[in-house]
Amino acid sequence: NAGVTQTPKFQVLKTGQSMTLQCAQDMNHNSMYWYRQDPGMGLRLIYYSASEGTTDKGEVPNGYNVSRLNKREFSLRLESAAPSQTSVYFCASLPRDRVRNEQFFGPGTRLTVL
Amino acid sequence: KNEVEQSPQNLTAQEGEFITINCSYSVGISALHWLQQHPGGGIVSLFMLSSGKKKHGRLIATINIQEKHSSLHITASHPRDSAVYICAVQLISSGSARQLTFGSGTQLTVLP
Repeated sequence: NAGVTQTPKFQVLKTGQSMTLQCAQDMNHNSMYWYRQDPGMGLRLIYYSASEGTTDKGEVPNGYNVSRLNKREFSLRLESAAPSQTSVYFCASLPRDRVRNEQFFGPGTRLTVL
Repeated sequence: KNEVEQSPQNLTAQEGEFITINCSYSVGISALHWLQQHPGGGIVSLFMLSSGKKKHGRLIATINIQEKHSSLHITASHPRDSAVYICAVQLISSGSARQLTFGSGTQLTVLP
């Protein structure tokens, strides 16, 4: 199993450009999450998908959109990037099984917006 | 005020020392997680607790639900333990989504 994969690993954008961050998991997990991590702050939830076909806003959704394409894939789109969106983005997934109630994280995407 | 507070923010220890990282939270939770973020950036889950104590190798995690407090202990610390340790809580209100609220992390450096 590859676990949770993210592409790209690094990206530099200019203000106003758009891009999509891709996330996929091969563990048949129901729930998927997008977080951003900024220096001195904890991970903050952008959007989540509790199950295939549903998405909901997290703590910091402004400037982002998401798509739960199927059970495996959950993408994050920046329609018009801003310097405030410079951050490290993590995708995570969670199995339906409440006994194994631990999120699995992707390796992260480091995004710089100039 | 953050819902999850960790202390200390930074910690430097000598190899072999006993280390304690603390986490306090102010909300009702259904579970508390300890995670480790490697210097390369990857994040892995260490423990999930809803009560009591768990041990894995040299790592021990405890939680006191009444005091809304958890500790992560590392015995016989080693330079390879150097990482950021993150406390996260699963709020009772998160329901089936089970999303986490994170502390800002503790940067641990263990010197040889």
